[in-house]
Amino acid sequence: GENVEQHPSTLSVQEGDSAVIKCTYSDSASNYFPWYKQELGKGPQLIIDIRSNVGEKKDQRIAVTLNKTAKHFSLHITETQPEDSAVYFCAASTHNTNAGKSTFGDGTTLTVKP
Amino acid sequence: GAVVSQHPSWVICKSGTSVKIECRSLDFQATTMFWYRQFPKQSLMLMATSNEGSKATYEQGVEKDKFLINHASLTLSTLTVTSAHPEDSSFYICSATPSGYNEQFFGPGTRLTVL
Repeated sequence: GENVEQHPSTLSVQEGDSAVIKCTYSDSASNYFPWYKQELGKGPQLIIDIRSNVGEKKDQRIAVTLNKTAKHFSLHITETQPEDSAVYFCAASTHNTNAGKSTFGDGTTLTVKP
Repeated sequence: GAVVSQHPSWVICKSGTSVKIECRSLDFQATTMFWYRQFPKQSLMLMATSNEGSKATYEQGVEKDKFLINHASLTLSTLTVTSAHPEDSSFYICSATPSGYNEQFFGPGTRLTVL
């Protein structure tokens, strides 16, 4: 089955700096890669996703890049703000199989210091 | 759009009782819903995949007789923790996938505490 590894497990940055979280996956059939933000005591929230036919996707301060050959994808947050502090999870799944069942990384706790 | 609700948001019960958690997709139909369990500072652990009108598919190691899942409609799935014990205390989260899509939209979670 799919295995997703996520690094780092914790990340602390100064407000205004950039943050990068990286994930690798093992199943070359995976073609959908979402990123979730989870605040304390809440459910995960989808913040951005990318499909395997695209190398990069950007939404304001958030961007995701995908390298299919190397089987890794990354989340980039620019101009970080204290409200970006949360746990971020990456995931991988195969479209149209397993009804969208995803394999999640172990999460990265991001702390943005004012 | 794509809002998923869970009820209750938290519940405290005595050991040996059963607890039902509801997961609803409010503005879309979901043929598939997922149930997760999350321990503090850990990732989401998939418990089962719930398909409307059919039996749930449980992950290895998850007792189907202990965690009963019902997906009677395209907008509602329920998880019943039967004969709950303190070790069942956890944060339970559901997600729903719109028909024909991969995106999972998560509910806010239910904090279960078994005394």
